[in-house]
Amino acid sequence: AQSVSQHNHHVILSEAASLELGCNYSYGGTVNLFWYVQYPGQHLQLLLKYFSGDPLVKGIKGFEAEFIKSKFSFNLRKPSVQWSDTAEYFCAVGGSSNTGKLIFGQGTTLQVKP
Amino acid sequence: DAGVIQSPRHEVTEMGQEVTLRCKPISGHNSLFWYRQTMMRGLELLIYFNNNVPIDDSGMPEDRFSAKMPNASFSTLKIQPSEPRDSAVYFCASRERAMSNQPQHFGDGTRLSIL
Repeated sequence: AQSVSQHNHHVILSEAASLELGCNYSYGGTVNLFWYVQYPGQHLQLLLKYFSGDPLVKGIKGFEAEFIKSKFSFNLRKPSVQWSDTAEYFCAVGGSSNTGKLIFGQGTTLQVKP
Repeated sequence: DAGVIQSPRHEVTEMGQEVTLRCKPISGHNSLFWYRQTMMRGLELLIYFNNNVPIDDSGMPEDRFSAKMPNASFSTLKIQPSEPRDSAVYFCASRERAMSNQPQHFGDGTRLSIL
């Protein structure tokens, strides 16, 4: 069955700390991968996406993610977090052969302390 | 540039009442998705449409839920009769093309409370 697993449910960091959020997926075939962010009280916004090419993808606000096919992983990273990065982060995967559906992980809540 | 527009933003009603949530996708987008978000189950896909046609409604919890997309610029999600366990934030999202490498754009959601 297709699934996405985000191992960290709740992460607390101090400002300027480095961030890595784990995402592993189970999916047969070629995949398209996304990270979305949801700031408190707001809707989901796209941070970055990968569907082909360089497995190291750079997104908005200094975020990046690396696709490691052999590990079925797409971890999100940021070298130095800010208080404004406090939000919930969702990893999502879609198959390149299907016409639409994304499978979302359960989300990771990041709290950055000033 | 208008994004996905959902209405109402908040809805509080008593159990047993009919609830209708509305969504206007981004102009030119031809895929539309309805999601439900709760603390317990996270973000769940309920149903999605490509070119106004329902493609996958396997996430619709039960017959009390129904969704329609009568044209490219409007969709509704209806719950009848509503129950307290339906309380959640319901998001609508749209996408430019029916291809999974395109990102989905989300609306601000409808926060639904069933008393």
